[in-house]
Formats: sequence, C-alpha cells, structure tokens
Amino acid sequence: NAGVTQTPKFRILKIGQSMTLQCTQDMNHNYMYWYRQDPGMGLKLIYYSVGAGITDKGEVPNGYNVSRSTTEDFPLRLELAAPSQTSVYFCASSYNRDRVANQPQHFGDGTRLSIL
Amino acid sequence: GEDVEQSLFLSVREGDSSVINCTYTDSSSTYLYWYKQEPGAGLQLLTYIFSNMDMKQDQRLTVLLNKKDKHLSLRIADTQTGDSAIYFCAEKAAGGGNKLTFGTGTQLKVEL
Repeated sequence: NAGVTQTPKFRILKIGQSMTLQCTQDMNHNYMYWYRQDPGMGLKLIYYSVGAGITDKGEVPNGYNVSRSTTEDFPLRLELAAPSQTSVYFCASSYNRDRVANQPQHFGDGTRLSIL
Repeated sequence: GEDVEQSLFLSVREGDSSVINCTYTDSSSTYLYWYKQEPGAGLQLLTYIFSNMDMKQDQRLTVLLNKKDKHLSLRIADTQTGDSAIYFCAEKAAGGGNKLTFGTGTQLKVEL
C-alpha cells in the first residue's frame, strides 16, 4: 500500500520561480491537508480540502494555492517563491464520515524545499 | 486561538522510561494524538486518546490525560535507541474540517 505519496522529495528554487508540489493518496480518503514544518515551530496548516472541488484556507495560506479536481490528488502551488517559503512540506489525508469522531491523519514523507 | 506546547528536548538512557509532556489551551478538544517523526520521514501516528478518558495503554506506550489542567503525557517504557525521534502531540477541536493543532515537537535522544 503506497498511502500518501509526495513528489519531489527535494527541490531548490530561485526567488520568483514557481512550482507545484504533488500529493496523491490511494486510500480513498476524502479529506486532504497541506502543512509546512519549520524548525522548532511544529506543523502549520496551509490549506485543506474536505472533498473533490472543495478547498479552504488553513492558518498560513498566503503565497500558496491549491486545487482538488480528483479525490486522489491535492497539488500545492507556489507562484512566486520567496525565501520565507523555505521549509519542509507535508501532505496528509484522512477518511471522515458522519458520526465517526476519530479520524487520524496519515502523512506523506515530505518535500524539502529551499528557495535561494 | 488554540495553542499546544511541548518542551524541545529530552534525553534518556536506554532501558529507562521516557515521559514526554504536552499542554494545550483549547477546552473543546475532542481527541489528542501522539505522532512520531523519524529523521527524513513523515509523521507516524503512535496513539490517541479521547477527551473523556484519562488513561490509555498500548504495549510500551501509556498516555495520561488531565483534562482539568489541559495536560497530556506520553510514557514510553523500556526506551530503546529506535525510539529516538521527534514526538508531536496534536489536538483536534470540536467542529468541522478535522483540523489538528500540533505542538512544536519534543526531540527524544536515547543514549546507551
């Protein structure tokens, strides 16, 4: 079982470049999430999606865009890369059903992004 | 907003017990989670506890929850070198989106 797969694993960008971080899951999870992890800061939620065609902002959405055209895929787009976006990015997914309160999130291995 | 805090480092000897602590501020938390992150990897769910419980045991792991003080702890018995990792606590508040608020993570170092 692949679970949550993120590509690429590493990337170096120049300031002002754009790129898309890919995330796909094969667990038929309806909810998906993007986080960034900075040293000593824990994980901060960037965007999340509760199903295909639906996305919503998290805690730190500025400078990012997302789309959710299929259940499996949830790409994260950086349009104008800035040094402040140097971070490790994690995608996660969960299967949420009505009246089922505990819905743990499953994480990918991360994308390490440096912007110089 | 919600806030979750952890100490940054913990060092223990192999075979001893480790206790990792976490405090949170959101009184509407429904579930609290412990995740483990090994170097270069994503977060792996270790265990969780529902907010109406005060203890949960799962093999070498014991989770204690003091809801009055909003304090959560993870005890690892017989700590091994393979337990060296960063441990995150996370709380899920009531409401939609299944959103989690994560702590800063505690780096556990197990020494021989």
